[in-house]
Amino acid sequence: DTAVSQTPKYLVTQMGNDKSIKCEQNLGHDTMYWYKQDSKKFLKIMFSYNNKELIINETVPNRFSPKSPDKAHLNLHINSLELGDSAVYFCASSPPGARGVRAHYGYTFGSGTRLTVV
Amino acid sequence: TQLLEQSPQFLSIQEGENLTVYCNSSSVFSSLQWYRQEPGEGPVLLVTVVTGGEVKKLKRLTFQFGDARKDSSLHITAAQPGDTGLYLCAGAKGQGAQKLVFGQGTRLTINP
Repeated sequence: DTAVSQTPKYLVTQMGNDKSIKCEQNLGHDTMYWYKQDSKKFLKIMFSYNNKELIINETVPNRFSPKSPDKAHLNLHINSLELGDSAVYFCASSPPGARGVRAHYGYTFGSGTRLTVV
Repeated sequence: TQLLEQSPQFLSIQEGENLTVYCNSSSVFSSLQWYRQEPGEGPVLLVTVVTGGEVKKLKRLTFQFGDARKDSSLHITAAQPGDTGLYLCAGAKGQGAQKLVFGQGTRLTINP
């Protein structure tokens, strides 16, 4: 009974290809996120959606396009993949926070998608 | 520039020893969280601290939020091999504290 599930777990593809990663949460949370974890294990936010609305878009190349068909799903599509895109991508979700602090109760993360671009 | 600096980045100790991991910043956070990440898995929330000076205990783990809400520490008493993992601190930032910024992590190894 997985709370935040990502597919696929592993993705190996060639440079220049287009690929998608899917994420679904069954926790009833209203906010979802995409984070990128590099080879040094540093986690950096990419996007955040609240009730299907984009609320955070960090300095991410236009080749990355998130899509949220409903508040339980947040997919990530990547065009023209580059070698530097190789990383582990994590989806996460969070409930409404306390006192307007959205991250107050913490995030629930998926198990990650390891993307390798060759 | 790293918003949150964790130290040490690597720590290897013997079972039964005590240890402290630090998370420091020049920024004020509305809340600070500690996560633990196992290989091949996503980070799992351990605790959230919100009030300056707050102390929370989780069995052998003690978490403290600095009085100025800029730093935090994680203390483990009598470490066990099962405590091995990557420990991440994360601070809530932005309007409505909408995003978490993570430290670079502390890789802890407890040797039997």
